[in-house]
Amino acid sequence: AQSVTQLDSHVSVSEGTPVLLRCNYSSSYSPSLFWYVQHPNKGLQLLLKYTSAATLVKGINGFEAEFKKSETSFHLTKPSAHMSDAAEYFCVVNHSGGGADGLTFGKGTHLIIQP
Amino acid sequence: DTGVSQNPRHKITKRGQNVTFRCDPISEHNRLYWYRQTLGQGPEFLTYFQNEAQLEKSRLLSDRFSAERPKGSFSTLEIQRTEQGDSAMYLCASSSSGGARQPQHFGDGTRLSIL
Repeated sequence: AQSVTQLDSHVSVSEGTPVLLRCNYSSSYSPSLFWYVQHPNKGLQLLLKYTSAATLVKGINGFEAEFKKSETSFHLTKPSAHMSDAAEYFCVVNHSGGGADGLTFGKGTHLIIQP
Repeated sequence: DTGVSQNPRHKITKRGQNVTFRCDPISEHNRLYWYRQTLGQGPEFLTYFQNEAQLEKSRLLSDRFSAERPKGSFSTLEIQRTEQGDSAMYLCASSSSGGARQPQHFGDGTRLSIL
C-alpha cells in the first residue's frame, strides 16, 4: 500500500520569500515521487519527478525537491515566490512494484502569495 | 506534442441521465488513465488502459461506470443513471510505457454537474 501526506492544507508567503511545501510518503516498494501543480479549472502540470536517481531534483519554474529516504519526505521548495506561483500543489507517489500504475495523490496544499 | 485533450470541458445534466466523456491522449502514449477529483481533494485513480486493454479498475468505479479505448487511441468514459455524488472533475492522463517512473500528462478535465 502507498500513501501521501501533505502536512499543510494552506501555505501563505510573501512575494519574493522562500516557499516550502511539505510532503511525507509511505510505500511498500521503491517509490517514484512527483509534484504537480494545478491552477483553477485546469488540469495538472508536472513540476518535477524523483525516480531513484539524484536525490535533489530540479523542476520547472525554479522549484526543486529533495528525496530523504530516512525521513520518508519529499518537500518542495523555491527560493523566491512569484505571484504566478499561487495554485494548488499535489505531492504524488507511484510504486514500481506490482499492481496498477495509478498515482496516489496527497490532498493538496493551497499556496497563497501575498503581494 | 499537442497535449491531452478532453471533451466536453463542462457537462450539466439531470440526475438519472447518461453522460459520456472523451479523452484524446498524446499520440505516442500507449497508456491512458482516468481519475476523478472532487472539490478540495486530490484526484483519485479510476482505471487505466495499456493500448486497448483495460488493465485495472479501482473499486471507486461502480458498475454504472464504463470506460473503453477501442483502437488504443482515444478513450471514452460513460456514466449511466447519474447520481448527485457523481458531480466531480473527471481527469484523463496519458504516459508512455515504462511503468511507474514515467510521468503522466494530464488534460484539463471535464467538470460534471448533476442537477
